[in-house]
Amino acid sequence: QKEVEQDPGPLSVPEGAIVSLNCTYSNSAFQYFMWYRQYSRKGPELLMYTYSSGNKEDGRFTAQVDKSSKYISLFIRDSQPSDSATYLCAMSVGAGNKLTFGGGTRVLVKP
Amino acid sequence: GAVVSQHPSRVICKSGTSVKIECRSLDFQATTMFWYRQFPKQSLMLMATSNEGSKATYEQGVEKDKFLINHASLTLSTLTVTSAHPEDSSFYICSGERGPYNEQFFGPGTRLTVL
Repeated sequence: QKEVEQDPGPLSVPEGAIVSLNCTYSNSAFQYFMWYRQYSRKGPELLMYTYSSGNKEDGRFTAQVDKSSKYISLFIRDSQPSDSATYLCAMSVGAGNKLTFGGGTRVLVKP
Repeated sequence: GAVVSQHPSRVICKSGTSVKIECRSLDFQATTMFWYRQFPKQSLMLMATSNEGSKATYEQGVEKDKFLINHASLTLSTLTVTSAHPEDSSFYICSGERGPYNEQFFGPGTRLTVL
């Protein structure tokens, strides 16, 4: 069993819809949680960084962390075709520690 | 966000040659840099952790004599793939760690093709 599980998709939604992404993890030591967006043949771009249970909002993005359930989510509101990419969750046991990535979910936002 | 660059963005070489990839943090100092490899449709696999002024820490299964890492300054780390073979063809991505929360910012990647 992988430490971090993420549905590979593809997840196809119409433009303007809410995109819902999630990851589950098995290591209760993970304390820091990140979401990255990666376009094809590019490096990942950091979208959200959280280190506590609850919600964090930044523009159209909302990250949720539920440490008791070992479950994290990312919501994208008012999705645009430019949001079409692979979204990777990542987590670490502490600041400065190596990241453990999920496998990534491919998202397609259709005009 | 912070900016990390990589050079070259793409390289094609013959089997048996060595290739050097540079990773630079442009607007912050990165005490720690990480090197990843990514195969098509797969997630990132950490190869090694590089700390400025000290030897890199390699992940299990990564040959340290084949993948030489040098972190000479707070803004530059290099990865040299020695005696490259076709199976080393991959997408190599570096990241720099920025305080105070130690977020990792990634470079655009280097696509290596070994013929």
